Amino acid sequence: QQQVKQSPQSLIVQKGGIPIINCAYENTAFDYFPWYQQFPGKGPALLIAIRPDVSEKKEGRFTISFNKSAKQFSLHIMDSQPGDSATYFCAASIEGGNTPLVFGKGTRLSVIA
Amino acid sequence: DGGITQSPKYLFRKEGQNVTLSCEQNLNHDAMYWYRQDPGQGLRLIYYSQIVNDFQKGDIAEGYSVSREKKESFPLTVTSAQKNPTAFYLCASKYQGRGYTFGSGTRLTVV
Repeated sequence: QQQVKQSPQSLIVQKGGIPIINCAYENTAFDYFPWYQQFPGKGPALLIAIRPDVSEKKEGRFTISFNKSAKQFSLHIMDSQPGDSATYFCAASIEGGNTPLVFGKGTRLSVIA
Repeated sequence: DGGITQSPKYLFRKEGQNVTLSCEQNLNHDAMYWYRQDPGQGLRLIYYSQIVNDFQKGDIAEGYSVSREKKESFPLTVTSAQKNPTAFYLCASKYQGRGYTFGSGTRLTVV
């Protein structure tokens, strides 16, 4: 019940394409869903996060879509660029308190020119 | 600038040796976490601490130990009982209601 399942494991898109990464969770108590971006040899950095009271959140070229009934959320990257090539992790937690985030296994994105 | 500092960036361990990875934060965050990252495995939780002098085991705590004597510091010791320690280790901290801030990681290799 604590798992977050992420797909696909890897993704290759052309520059300007819209990669979509999907995550599914089981624990209905989760109420905080962040996405992290990680470049090789670096720590992950918070990209964007959503709470279940909204169905979509946009920050620049990054959009999270959230489907509470299906217990799924996804990351869309508009007008993808080679600089977006990185590993992306979804995560979930119960926001109150400091309980640990549960992470998906990651998606390695390559954007080719 | 506030942030999390992990050191060293690279660490080599001989068989049977204990090594300690440093994690220091000046963000005044209460909670700190240690994760292990292996290719294709995502981030797996080793230990976490919500307050000073208290910590809890994560999913893969065997072969690891931690201490939290100061709010700013959460060192991780990889003991000789950890049979497969080669991995990328990430430390993070969190203020209640906010996302994690990660350090830049320590890559540990057994030689």
